[in-house]
Amino acid sequence: SQKIEQNSEALNIQEGKTATLTCNYTNYSPAYLQWYRQDPGRGPVFLLLIRENEKEKRKERLKVTFDTTLKQSLFHITASQPADSATYLCALNRGSTLGRLYFGRGTQLTVWP
Amino acid sequence: GAGVSQSPSNKVTEKGKDVELRCDPISGHTALYWYRQSLGQGLEFLIYFQGNSAPDKSGLPSDRFSAERTGGSVSTLTIQRTQQEDSAVYLCASSLDGGRETQYFGPGTRLLVL
Repeated sequence: SQKIEQNSEALNIQEGKTATLTCNYTNYSPAYLQWYRQDPGRGPVFLLLIRENEKEKRKERLKVTFDTTLKQSLFHITASQPADSATYLCALNRGSTLGRLYFGRGTQLTVWP
Repeated sequence: GAGVSQSPSNKVTEKGKDVELRCDPISGHTALYWYRQSLGQGLEFLIYFQGNSAPDKSGLPSDRFSAERTGGSVSTLTIQRTQQEDSAVYLCASSLDGGRETQYFGPGTRLLVL
């Protein structure tokens, strides 16, 4: 069966440290993988997209890597801040279809001062 | 500009009643998606509309669920004869077109079936 697993349900780190979140998938051949942020009571907000032929993408303090051999993406937040506390969702498509996304359950990140 | 809006924001209904959930996508977005998010679960795809093409209904969990999109804009998700297991947050998203991967989500409708 097809699965998307995010490494842990919760991750707690100290302000200023780098948070690293993991997304592993099986039985997919995604054309791209995305990361979203979701705050309580709100819909997900797009952060970054990385394509199958890209190894790394950066945006400000965020970095995403994509290893199609390992079937894994890593999401890093450097110099983390309490405002980064949220749930982070990994999502990917199936290479054969555009549009619909398949989501992991998310990792709840808490950054404490 | 305005984002994706959904109404109502909260809905409490009794088991067996029908409910309608509304989504207004971002103006000009041709692709529209419905997802469901149950407590502690990931987002579950329900249905996808792209322009005038036939919708992808493959995620609808039963024939009690249906959706339509009128005039290529507003969409309504209807759940007939609601069951307690239908309780969830129903999220709508839109994208510029089905090939543009970024999806913009609304705030969701929280449905509670008693």
